[in-house]
Amino acid sequence: EDQVTQSPEALRLQEGESSSLNCSYTVSGLRGLFWYRQDPGKGPEFLFTLYSAGEEKEKERLKATLTKKESFLHITAPKPEDSATYLCAVQLGSGNTGKLIFGQGTTLQVKP
Amino acid sequence: DAGVTQSPTHLIKTRGQHVTLRCSPISGHKSVSWYQQVLGQGPQFIFQYYEKEERGRGNFPDRFSARQFPNYSSELNVNALLLGDSALYLCASSKPMNTEAFFGQGTRLTVV
Repeated sequence: EDQVTQSPEALRLQEGESSSLNCSYTVSGLRGLFWYRQDPGKGPEFLFTLYSAGEEKEKERLKATLTKKESFLHITAPKPEDSATYLCAVQLGSGNTGKLIFGQGTTLQVKP
Repeated sequence: DAGVTQSPTHLIKTRGQHVTLRCSPISGHKSVSWYQQVLGQGPQFIFQYYEKEERGRGNFPDRFSARQFPNYSSELNVNALLLGDSALYLCASSKPMNTEAFFGQGTRLTVV
């Protein structure tokens, strides 16, 4: 069964304290892995897409990496405005309609 | 350009009633997907439509149905509402089916 698991479920950091969020997946054929940010009561906001092992992408204080079994979202020197739930999703390979399979999310709180 | 727009933003319905949720995709996007997100979980895939045809269906009962119009907007219909249908309903649009999906702000449905 295709599955996506994120850890930790919740993470509390002090402002400036760098850390990483993990997304592990077991799927029958990965086409792409997506990271989204979601603020309470809002829709997910697209951050990154990764397609192949070894690929990395950066945006401001965020950096996403991909291996054959997992992805990491590294947060460098976070600020309180980075507080949100971060969702990881996988899109399966050929023959798939393009649906996304999401993990349960990691809720990040950054304290000033 | 406007992002994905959903209406209404909130609504309250009584058990057994019917509800229709609406979604307008980003201009130029021909694929629309619907997701259900219950509190504390990641979004779950309900439907995907591309070029007005259903291209994928998640594990939801037949009470859930959807359609896509010639202008690529979409409706999600839910009949015989149950308390467990209370959730944030998200619409996502993308160009072809298998590319980055951008989400709307969601419709918060509460069934009482």
